[in-house]
Amino acid sequence: EPEVTQTPSHQVTQMGQEVILRCVPISNHLYFYWYRQILGQKVEFLVSFYNNEISEKSEIFDDQFSVERPDGSNFTLKIRSTKLEDSAMYFCASRRYSGANVLTFGAGSRLTVL
Amino acid sequence: EDQVTQSPEALRLQEGESSSLNCSYTVSGLRGLFWYRQDPGKGPEFLFTLYSAGEEKEKERLKATLTKKESFLHITAPKPEDSATYLCAVRFPMNRDDKIIFGKGTRLHILP
Repeated sequence: EPEVTQTPSHQVTQMGQEVILRCVPISNHLYFYWYRQILGQKVEFLVSFYNNEISEKSEIFDDQFSVERPDGSNFTLKIRSTKLEDSAMYFCASRRYSGANVLTFGAGSRLTVL
Repeated sequence: EDQVTQSPEALRLQEGESSSLNCSYTVSGLRGLFWYRQDPGKGPEFLFTLYSAGEEKEKERLKATLTKKESFLHITAPKPEDSATYLCAVRFPMNRDDKIIFGKGTRLHILP
């Protein structure tokens, strides 16, 4: 069964460092998303991406965050200067087309900021 | 403000003891309600999509139902392997893309 692949599974970084989280969505999917989940809290929407541009973003997704689809397969989330409160599980998700409702999630990347 | 509220926050059941989880929502123009299962340290795993009041979906011991303002996830004769966090999510129409918003989830623990 096709799946969304995320790397790394766990990253530890120092506060102020840049982090890039990578995702390989399902190959025929066109809509891509990043969500995050702080430990013990709910899954929160960060950003959606379609046709090489951001479709929607939440208040969490400030100037420190950016997304990119550098080639035909990868979808990345960059955090420019990490803060302690960025420590969370980051989930990438994708869906196939406009009428397809279901998001398929990856296993997540755990980010720990020290 | 659109919201998704799940209850209870946590539920402990004996194996075989049936129960229901609730998801209530306030939204204009709902375009789908989703149930996901999440195991510790893993991503959400899709279970069901419901679109209109009166709709029901079933999968093994789980059945999801939808009314105009809430959804229920019924668990019949649960087993320990059904222990997980069950997430409800609602799709809100937003400009060019629809945003899916999650509730806080119900942590279900089935005791053998």
